[in-house]
Amino acid sequence: AQKITQTQPGMFVQEKEAVTLDCTYDTSDPSYGLFWYKQPSSGEMIFLIYQGSYDQQNATEGRYSLNFQKARKSANLVISASQLGDSAMYFCAMRGTGAGSYQLTFGKGTKLSVIP
Amino acid sequence: DTAVSQTPKYLVTQMGNDKSIKCEQNLGHDTMYWYKQDSKKFLKIMFSYNNKELIINETVPNRFSPKSPDKAHLNLHINSLELGDSAVYFCASSQLGTGKNIQYFGAGTRLSVL
Repeated sequence: AQKITQTQPGMFVQEKEAVTLDCTYDTSDPSYGLFWYKQPSSGEMIFLIYQGSYDQQNATEGRYSLNFQKARKSANLVISASQLGDSAMYFCAMRGTGAGSYQLTFGKGTKLSVIP
Repeated sequence: DTAVSQTPKYLVTQMGNDKSIKCEQNLGHDTMYWYKQDSKKFLKIMFSYNNKELIINETVPNRFSPKSPDKAHLNLHINSLELGDSAVYFCASSQLGTGKNIQYFGAGTRLSVL
């Protein structure tokens, strides 16, 4: 079984500062994928970034980067230069690669508030 | 063009009614999913179809029945609605076998059962 843990229910960050959202995972799959999604107050789920378990380098997408530490089973999201529009719920998720494990397992989410 | 579209966006209905939520994707993906987000924002898989074939069927009451007429559509029919069915239902799609298998979500359908 796969499990995602997000220990920060809520976070505050000053505009233009960087913020790290924590995510740890547990799985017995040798190969897996890790994802971060953003859910603004309007409700849609927006894909942000992906990290494969065998990727040698940490993923980056614009202001988003994923700090992947495989031995520690962590996949923290770093948002640089926070903007007011970054205020949202952020979900960490993982997926296995075996048959029947294509679905995403989500953490409980972290609510990020950006302060002007 | 919306990649994954769900209708309706809001659904308010009485207990005991039957309702359907429709989902369509124009990404050319071969796999579609239904997730449920509860009042605490927790998201959980319900069903998944690959090329119109059911591949994931989590422990969901059999009042919920997915139907996939073709690869681009996955509808969710709910019979005898209960108060506990109130939630946001998300449709998603992805292409299996691409390595990343990134799932793209619709805007969600907020179901309120009164």
